[in-house]
Amino acid sequence: GAGVSQSPSNKVTEKGKDVELRCDPISGHTALYWYRQRLGQGLEFLIYFQGNSAPDKSGLPSDRFSAERTGESVSTLTIQRTQQEDSAVYLCASLEAPPDTQYFGPGTRLTVL
Amino acid sequence: AQSVTQPDIHITVSEGASLELRCNYSYGATPYLFWYVQSPGQGLQLLLKYFSGDTLVQGIKGFEAEFKRSQSSFNLRKPSVHWSDAAEYFCAVAARTGGYNKLIFGAGTRLAVHP
Repeated sequence: GAGVSQSPSNKVTEKGKDVELRCDPISGHTALYWYRQRLGQGLEFLIYFQGNSAPDKSGLPSDRFSAERTGESVSTLTIQRTQQEDSAVYLCASLEAPPDTQYFGPGTRLTVL
Repeated sequence: AQSVTQPDIHITVSEGASLELRCNYSYGATPYLFWYVQSPGQGLQLLLKYFSGDTLVQGIKGFEAEFKRSQSSFNLRKPSVHWSDAAEYFCAVAARTGGYNKLIFGAGTRLAVHP
């Protein structure tokens, strides 16, 4: 079946602009995660959604970052007033539970000039 | 605090040689452990996972990993590497937080394969 999809695959923006990244999870997966991967580094947890429960936003690096998800559908990650340090690959994963396994999308490569 | 350490940043092997990528974790309870592979420009693909039971787990693409509780390790192995295995490999532990699991990743090991 279809995997996790993300759009756009690449985004180049100017410092100070807002960007919106989209994630379409695997159908039936109730949980969804966003991660950030800076160049040459591992993945950093950003935010977690589970159904209609309040999300865990503990990984968001600043109040410029926000994310939404309606029910068990699409999620959007918004970065306001982008900074150069926001340049990274943003990865989305949806969770198959059981057996508690995350499946990742291809990511969105964000470049802030 | 939970953490994952991958001591080797870069590894280079010859095609056909055996491979072992190291992973050490720090986690108080019984861990859920994962290995993911990331090819250039791609997302992460799950290679294998350990939840419980047999400590030697088999994954896709001929990879296997062994969970050793006494050493807090979950090393990834492959008996004969193919050129297409060149990629970055991430080890992760699922940390239980507020009723759900959050993946804690190592920094990754980049594998290069010489012909």
